[in-house]
Amino acid sequence: NAGVTQTPKFRILKIGQSMTLQCTQDMNHNYMYWYRQDPGMGLKLIYYSVGAGITDKGEVPNGYNVSRSTTEDFPLRLELAAPSQTSVYFCASSPTGNTIYFGEGSWLTVV
Amino acid sequence: QQQVKQSPQSLIVQKGGISIINCAYENTAFDYFPWYQQFPGKGPALLIAIRPDVSEKKEGRFTISFNKSAKQFSLHIMDSQPGDSATYFCAASNNDMRFGAGTRLTVKP
Repeated sequence: NAGVTQTPKFRILKIGQSMTLQCTQDMNHNYMYWYRQDPGMGLKLIYYSVGAGITDKGEVPNGYNVSRSTTEDFPLRLELAAPSQTSVYFCASSPTGNTIYFGEGSWLTVV
Repeated sequence: QQQVKQSPQSLIVQKGGISIINCAYENTAFDYFPWYQQFPGKGPALLIAIRPDVSEKKEGRFTISFNKSAKQFSLHIMDSQPGDSATYFCAASNNDMRFGAGTRLTVKP
């Protein structure tokens, strides 16, 4: 029972580099989300998707891009990494937009 | 602008005591109000949730109280245990889920 799987778990990036955080879910959920978590700031929504081919911006989309070509996958792309993008990133999915199931998180450091 | 405001930021309770965490929201379109529990190094997990058509929901030691007119809701943890020590997030949803800043709860033995 995999649920929501994120890779990599840990990554160190240099300023200006690009990378993709991978996310896949095996629960056939229509809704998928990317959040970032910073100390004392809770979880901020970066992007979300209500189904394959549909994506929408959340609260903090700048510096990120997403795509949703399949129901299972929702990768998050960081272009030109900046120190402000140092954070813990959580991918999540939901069948209805209510109960959300989170992945284990990806710790990203930009130096 | 924080759409869901949560307090306190941290809370210390003695074992057996009651833990109370409060949240307020602004958007009246929100129609689902969950609470999530997060342990260090893990993703948040759903604890309990409520819809605005009821004023209270209880599951074991956990109770949500909901005040629609005041746009406020709270989590009460009865008989708090050291194993309840975690970070708790309130949230509000209408398609996209918005979270409060979190409360770090410590239950002392």
